[in-house]
Amino acid sequence: DTEVTQTPKHLVMGMTNKKSLKCEQHMGHRAMYWYKQKAKKPPELMFVYSYEKLSINESVPSRFSPECPNSSLLNLHLHALQPEDSALYLCASSRETGYTGELFFGEGSRLTVL
Amino acid sequence: AQRVTQPEKLLSVFKGAPVELKCNYSYSGSPELFWYVQYSRQRLQLLLRHISRESIKGFTADLNKGETSFHLKKPFAQEEDSAMYYCALKQGAQKLVFGQGTRLTINP
Repeated sequence: DTEVTQTPKHLVMGMTNKKSLKCEQHMGHRAMYWYKQKAKKPPELMFVYSYEKLSINESVPSRFSPECPNSSLLNLHLHALQPEDSALYLCASSRETGYTGELFFGEGSRLTVL
Repeated sequence: AQRVTQPEKLLSVFKGAPVELKCNYSYSGSPELFWYVQYSRQRLQLLLRHISRESIKGFTADLNKGETSFHLKKPFAQEEDSAMYYCALKQGAQKLVFGQGTRLTINP
């Protein structure tokens, strides 16, 4: 299995809802990433996990809460989001963070906040 | 500031014509640069990395430290090359930062 799988593909939520995005990989990668991509913009890094520990938080608001329960799974918990948080959320993985190699991306979860 | 710049948002060429997608970077140190591509309805994927010096799908990219550039080139464009192309710079050990992207359209 050489894919990063993200669920759900689409999510609509109200500003008071709590929801989660999930990401899974079975490539044995030890680094996982969350990126946010607004329409017609490049992906922007949000969080990096290395060996299941949070190593980078790009000053992301606390209404986004990442979690890495094990080396294959990455979650992004969402609470009290704003309409401007509507975007495509991309998960990616790589062998290790220091490895000069490929990031494998998922197809993304498209989030709409009403 | 360490960043990567793609000056062209859109690029349109005819099939069989040469293609060059521009990428310039600013980085203090030895840069690690990549080209990622996103075809229609497909996920973002790696096309090239400068360290490999490889040719993928006919594309090549040479790191020019004097001009701080990493332009992507292909001598003869094909219709299937139409896609969004992102130049990316690795900052430190963990961050991959993307340029604004160039949408390439190959006309028949």
